[in-house]
Amino acid sequence: DGGITQSPKYLFRKEGQNVTLSCEQNLNHDAMYWYRQDPGQGLRLIYYSQIVNDFQKGDIAEGYSVSREKKESFPLTVTSAQKNPTAFYLCASSLPGLGSGANVLTFGAGSRLTVL
Amino acid sequence: AQSVAQPEDQVNVAEGNPLTVKCTYSVSGNPYLFWYVQYPNRGLQFLLKYITGDNLVKGSYGFEAEFNKSQTSFHLKKPSALVSDSALYFCAVRDLSGTYKYIFGTGTRLKVLA
Repeated sequence: DGGITQSPKYLFRKEGQNVTLSCEQNLNHDAMYWYRQDPGQGLRLIYYSQIVNDFQKGDIAEGYSVSREKKESFPLTVTSAQKNPTAFYLCASSLPGLGSGANVLTFGAGSRLTVL
Repeated sequence: AQSVAQPEDQVNVAEGNPLTVKCTYSVSGNPYLFWYVQYPNRGLQFLLKYITGDNLVKGSYGFEAEFNKSQTSFHLKKPSALVSDSALYFCAVRDLSGTYKYIFGTGTRLKVLA
């Protein structure tokens, strides 16, 4: 079945460490996204990518980095510069266009990062 | 700037009663509007979308939403609530200014009481 796989599901990090969250999709979607979810704040966009080898900052990109070397993969690195990284991270993808499934975001199951 | 507002943090409704979860938006041009549902510690699941056509959109699990251009609203509705509908609901709008960005509301927690 097609979908988005995020790993790990749970991750613990010590202060000062970088961690990388994996996001892989087999939907052949062009666009991919990373969102951060905190209680009461909804989803906030960290980075997004419309095509391979290109990505754009979202609303809260400071302290994060991404790469898009392959269409199916969009890993997110949470760096030590991110001062409050404890959150639930969601990866999503979409297919632009006019088809019936176009423009709908498909989400992974999420990764919960806790800083110790 | 495009934005979405969900004015209620929580909505409580008795099982079997109709439910409404409110959403208003601010966009330039014609909006692409969406509703998603999230169960605890899970990703978001797509419920329905409005892009063009009929103002009343039907989606998954018996949900529907009405696009009202004059009131800039896209409220989610269901004629008869189930306890299993209890979840966090998000309204979203797609930025049509040339990017593929999606802007989400802050979410409304729906609690259906048995």
